[in-house]
Amino acid sequence: AQSVTQLGSHVSVSEGALVLLRCNYSSSVPPYLFWYVQYPNQGLQLLLKYTSAATLVKGINGFEAEFKKSETSFHLTKPSAHMSDAAEYFCAVRRSGGGADGLTFGKGTHLIIQP
Amino acid sequence: DAGVIQSPRHEVTEMGQEVTLRCKPISGHDYLFWYRQTMMRGLELLIYFNNNVPIDDSGMPEDRFSAKMPNASFSTLKIQPSEPRDSAVYFCASSLLQGGGYTFGSGTRLTVV
Repeated sequence: AQSVTQLGSHVSVSEGALVLLRCNYSSSVPPYLFWYVQYPNQGLQLLLKYTSAATLVKGINGFEAEFKKSETSFHLTKPSAHMSDAAEYFCAVRRSGGGADGLTFGKGTHLIIQP
Repeated sequence: DAGVIQSPRHEVTEMGQEVTLRCKPISGHDYLFWYRQTMMRGLELLIYFNNNVPIDDSGMPEDRFSAKMPNASFSTLKIQPSEPRDSAVYFCASSLLQGGGYTFGSGTRLTVV
């Protein structure tokens, strides 16, 4: 079975500051890892994904994440926060290999941007 | 492509009534997933289909819930009878086979009073 743990249900940063959202995973097989963003009253939008290619993955809106097998982590970062980044962020894991199991999501981290 | 389309966006119903949620996946996607989102439990996978066939329904909370996918372009999630604890946002998502992320619909916010 696989699972993800997101550290911090709420993270607050100042506009222009570094954004760091933490995600640790547990998986019995090499995982696929994802970050999604959810704006109020909307569905989830894929930010980026790791599927066993490059360990540093670049996504939309200036976000990136690094897969670290030794730390079982997949933290999301952005060098400079913008007010429009305020949203809920979800880390998710899925088994690699054939087929497509359902994604297992973390509890989410609410990102607050202070002006 | 218009993306994953869910209807209705909002549904308010009385306890005991039947509720049907609808989803149209992205054309060509092999997989369709139904998720439920609540504050207490987060995002929970209810059921998923591959090529219209239900593969894993272990997340369906109880027999009051049922889901069908009669063809590649349509799926329904039915709750009968509905209860207040079913109040949540229900998302449909679709994906291609290997390694891809999901494309989510905008969700249906269900309120059972």
